[in-house]
Amino acid sequence: QVQLQQWGAGLLKTSETLSLTCAVYGGSFGGYFFTWVRQPPGKGLEWIGGINHSGRTNYHPSLKSRITVSFDTIKNHFSLKLTSVTAADTAVYYCALVGPTRFYFDNWGRGTLVTVSS
Amino acid sequence: QSVLTQPPSVSGAPGQRVAISCTGSNSNIGTGYDVHWYKQLPGTAPKVLIYNNDNRPPGVPDRFSASKSGTSASLAITGLQAEDEADYYCQSYDSSLNHWVFGGGTKLAVL
Repeated sequence: QVQLQQWGAGLLKTSETLSLTCAVYGGSFGGYFFTWVRQPPGKGLEWIGGINHSGRTNYHPSLKSRITVSFDTIKNHFSLKLTSVTAADTAVYYCALVGPTRFYFDNWGRGTLVTVSS
Repeated sequence: QSVLTQPPSVSGAPGQRVAISCTGSNSNIGTGYDVHWYKQLPGTAPKVLIYNNDNRPPGVPDRFSASKSGTSASLAITGLQAEDEADYYCQSYDSSLNHWVFGGGTKLAVL
């Protein structure tokens, strides 16, 4: 049974860097895409970026200059960094997996609320 | 403004049938990418309800069904129950944007 456990700082000030990590357990993950999805309070879901096991990344165009997703193959962790945050980045951030040959998110972390204040 | 368009809300009485539409374009649903549906309860992560247009994961009741046609898709829920009250999202992939896209979400109220 695949499980995702995520953690990271939940309160940031404007211009700081958001940093979250997601540990993946319960299988072998070659062929998977490891992604991050966020949800501002009271709003919908937005895919923001991800990485595959080979290190190929894909980022939402609106965040491309600020986002980095990386993968630690030894620890089976993947991480999100988002620089220069503003109040608009306040959201619940979910890590989620896209399985091989699939185009949907079939496993999700519990989410981390990140609040950016001035 | 979401790439996939859903009605903000739908409602129905227990036992009734409701449908939620998801309208895309020729760069996502219309070009052949599958549509997937998620159910999200308050304070929890989304869960896959329907994948690849019309497939239910184990444990999802057959009261939930979905279809896709042209640039749109639809989720139908029959025999509405109180526990169906949730937010529902459609999702696909967009070849112009080169990334996954979601609908804006639909809040289902069971009256």
